[in-house]
Amino acid sequence: KNEVEQSPQNLTAQEGEFITINCSYSVGISALHWLQQHPGGGIVSLFMLSSGKKKHGRLIATINIQEKHSSLHITASHPRDSAVYICAVSNNNDMRFGAGTRLTVKP
Amino acid sequence: DAGITQSPRHKVTETGTPVTLRCHQTENHRYMYWYRQDPGHGLRLIHYSYGVKDTDKGEVSDGYSVSRSKTEDFLLTLESATSSQTSVYFCAISGNSEEAFFGQGTRLTVV
Repeated sequence: KNEVEQSPQNLTAQEGEFITINCSYSVGISALHWLQQHPGGGIVSLFMLSSGKKKHGRLIATINIQEKHSSLHITASHPRDSAVYICAVSNNNDMRFGAGTRLTVKP
Repeated sequence: DAGITQSPRHKVTETGTPVTLRCHQTENHRYMYWYRQDPGHGLRLIHYSYGVKDTDKGEVSDGYSVSRSKTEDFLLTLESATSSQTSVYFCAISGNSEEAFFGQGTRLTVV
């Protein structure tokens, strides 16, 4: 079993829909990261969080340390949000990655 | 954007040839990492460095070596490239805050 599990693997949504991507982990962490990768592109860090909730524009990330679970929400989704979203956890700079969720937002 | 650049961005090489990929940072971050990304797998750690001349192996280190002679540069070498090393390679850096920054990736094809 992977240390970091994401669901769903693939997600297709219509423009404007509210999207949730989930991440569960099984190891001790000091931080959890949400990353974004556009097709053929580099990897961009969206959030790093160790507790509670963070918001940036239409993106919201939450983490429940007790349940070892995090969610990434996208409100009012747009085709430009189409990308692979990767959950990663770190402990003393040792980072472990989920397999990613491929999101496609259709106009 | 964090100052991290990878070179080259694309490379095609023949089986058995040596290949070196370079990662350069301008952030003075202590930690540098090399990952490979393949379909069906998450990012997998090849090697990492926690300081000048301090490096260690990751989970997929066979066939790869690294060097870090300066804080800003982390080199990944494939001593004798094989087709199984065809992949996209990402460099990453992080500092005391653990926030990670990634390079744009190097697409390597071994023919």
